[in-house]
Amino acid sequence: GAGVSQSPSNKVTEKGKDVELRCDPISGHTALYWYRQSLGQGLEFLIYFQGNSAPDKSGLPSDRFSAERTGGSVSTLTIQRTQQEDSAVYLCASSLDKGTSSYEQYFGPGTRLTVT
Amino acid sequence: KQEVTQIPAALSVPEGENLVLNCSFTDSAIYNLQWFRQDPGKGLTSLLLIQSSQREQTSGRLNASLDKSSGRSTLYIAASQPGDSATYLCVVTHRDDKIIFGKGTRLHILP
Repeated sequence: GAGVSQSPSNKVTEKGKDVELRCDPISGHTALYWYRQSLGQGLEFLIYFQGNSAPDKSGLPSDRFSAERTGGSVSTLTIQRTQQEDSAVYLCASSLDKGTSSYEQYFGPGTRLTVT
Repeated sequence: KQEVTQIPAALSVPEGENLVLNCSFTDSAIYNLQWFRQDPGKGLTSLLLIQSSQREQTSGRLNASLDKSSGRSTLYIAASQPGDSATYLCVVTHRDDKIIFGKGTRLHILP
């Protein structure tokens, strides 16, 4: 079956512009996660959705970052007024509802964001 | 604060050898622990998931163990192959829903 998909795969933007990154989770997965991996850094948790709600936004690095999820499916991560330090690979993952025995996360291929 | 540490940071071994990758975590109140591999230019591939109530999981040549009391997990790779070369990540899901990644072990299998 189809896995997690993300678009675009690559995005180059000028400093100060806004960008939107999209994630399509695996059908039926109610949990959705956003992470980022900066050059030379480990993976950093950004935000987690259970359905359409985000019980944990603690990982968002600043108020320029926001995310939404509608219909319990597709999610969009928006970065406003991008800065060069926002350059990273943004990864999305999804999993079945927490509380079941299968809580395994499946990752998308990522979006490589470069801010010039 | 949960911290996840992976040792070693990098490892090179000849093809055919068995090897062990280590992951330690500071807070035992975890929901599960998951091992991934990350290949250059690609996403993350899930290898094994261990629930907090389990002690080990096996898949093919891979075996992962979990000891919550000591805050440790190991990933055992038997009969290593060049295709096993990748970065291996240990990820802990804490009971407060925090998800913490280790920095990974870069594994290189020498043909």
